[in-house]
Amino acid sequence: QQQVKQSPQSLIVQKGGISIINCAYENTAFDYFPWYQQFPGKGPALLIAIRPDVSEKKEGRFTISFNKSAKQFSLHIMDSQPGDSATYFCAARKGYSTLTFGKGTMLLVSP
Amino acid sequence: EAQVTQNPRYLITVTGKKLTVTCSQNMNHEYMSWYRQDPGLGLRQIYYSMNVEVTDKGDVPEGYKVSRKEKRNFPLILESPSPNQTSLYFCASSQDRVYGYTFGSGTRLTVV
Repeated sequence: QQQVKQSPQSLIVQKGGISIINCAYENTAFDYFPWYQQFPGKGPALLIAIRPDVSEKKEGRFTISFNKSAKQFSLHIMDSQPGDSATYFCAARKGYSTLTFGKGTMLLVSP
Repeated sequence: EAQVTQNPRYLITVTGKKLTVTCSQNMNHEYMSWYRQDPGLGLRQIYYSMNVEVTDKGDVPEGYKVSRKEKRNFPLILESPSPNQTSLYFCASSQDRVYGYTFGSGTRLTVV
């Protein structure tokens, strides 16, 4: 049973455009929702995270939108740059122990 | 520098030959975890540890063992590796849920 569903699998965006990646979850016990960015040959790195009592969080060009009633959250990358080309993973966590990941989205920002 | 260190980075081994992948963190984190990453499947948790001598199974624990005898180290043991354990493995640590996990650089394992 996949607890966190991520879409799309891959995404091509022109430089300067908005990249949007969506995730949906089933388990209402999840209480922490991070996004990770992974470049080839590297481990995932925490990008931005949100708790379910907040509907939006913005850090620079990256914004998480959270819809608790719909059990959905999304990552928006404004003014996308070629350096943003990477694989992005959404995740959800309950308590201190379990971090469940989506399957990832490969983002390519074309120059 | 705060980091999670995994060794080796690359490993090719034969079916059935026991191996250990080491993981060490220098951040005094209580929580550590192992993940495997496979194309199309994303990151799946193998085992995690909430503190010394406290470990629990993740989503895909079959064929793996772990131990947490010291706070900084969390080795992953494959007693009898099989080809379906060919994967990219990541160790991660976390102080608590506020900060999220810090990942190591990964170990690419090939079992022939």
